[in-house]
Amino acid sequence: SAVISQKPSRDICQRGTSLTIQCQVDSQVTMMFWYRQQPGQSLTLIATANQGSEATYESGFVIDKFPISRPNLTFSTLTVSNMSPEDSSIYLCSVDGLTQLNTEAFFGQGTRLTVV
Amino acid sequence: AQSVSQHNHHVILSEAASLELGCNYSYGGTVNLFWYVQYPGQHLQLLLKYFSGDPLVKGIKGFEAEFIKSKFSFNLRKPSVQWSDTAEYFCAVGKAAGNKLTFGGGTRVLVKP
Repeated sequence: SAVISQKPSRDICQRGTSLTIQCQVDSQVTMMFWYRQQPGQSLTLIATANQGSEATYESGFVIDKFPISRPNLTFSTLTVSNMSPEDSSIYLCSVDGLTQLNTEAFFGQGTRLTVV
Repeated sequence: AQSVSQHNHHVILSEAASLELGCNYSYGGTVNLFWYVQYPGQHLQLLLKYFSGDPLVKGIKGFEAEFIKSKFSFNLRKPSVQWSDTAEYFCAVGKAAGNKLTFGGGTRVLVKP
């Protein structure tokens, strides 16, 4: 299994500011994913972060709003830019299974963001 | 695009009752199927998964799920729930390659003691 640490675990931010969320994995992984869980809703994939290439964004999400870095195989960041109250959500980092046979996804504990 | 539907948004039941949560997906190709659970204040945890083979999958904590390909369904069951099963349950579908998951809307389960 993978141990995923996210920082910060929660934050309250002013609208118009930006927050960078960090995701650290205890093993090297090929693919890392960022999800959003809006209040009372399910998880929605924001983007896939691959080491050595630009992130791939899902429909409705753009790089200017959610820039992602993936400097190595154990670390990624997601920035929520120019925040508005609608960005208040839990943001989760996820990684692919660590072996070819294990396609289970592992999740961090999430970052609870409140924009005021 | 694939979609995942969970039929119940909220379920309330008493301890020792049986639980069944429905999940249907729309993708027609090869899929990996998952049920995740999120206990209050905790992160997502995997309950069980299906990749191939026996369509009846047993997971942790007495949960099981049955994959019915013809119905595009992957329903979760537990014969006798406990108060500690109070949580939100998410069905998720991933394509055969990679773990880009599509989640259902979730079902909040409340087990009354």
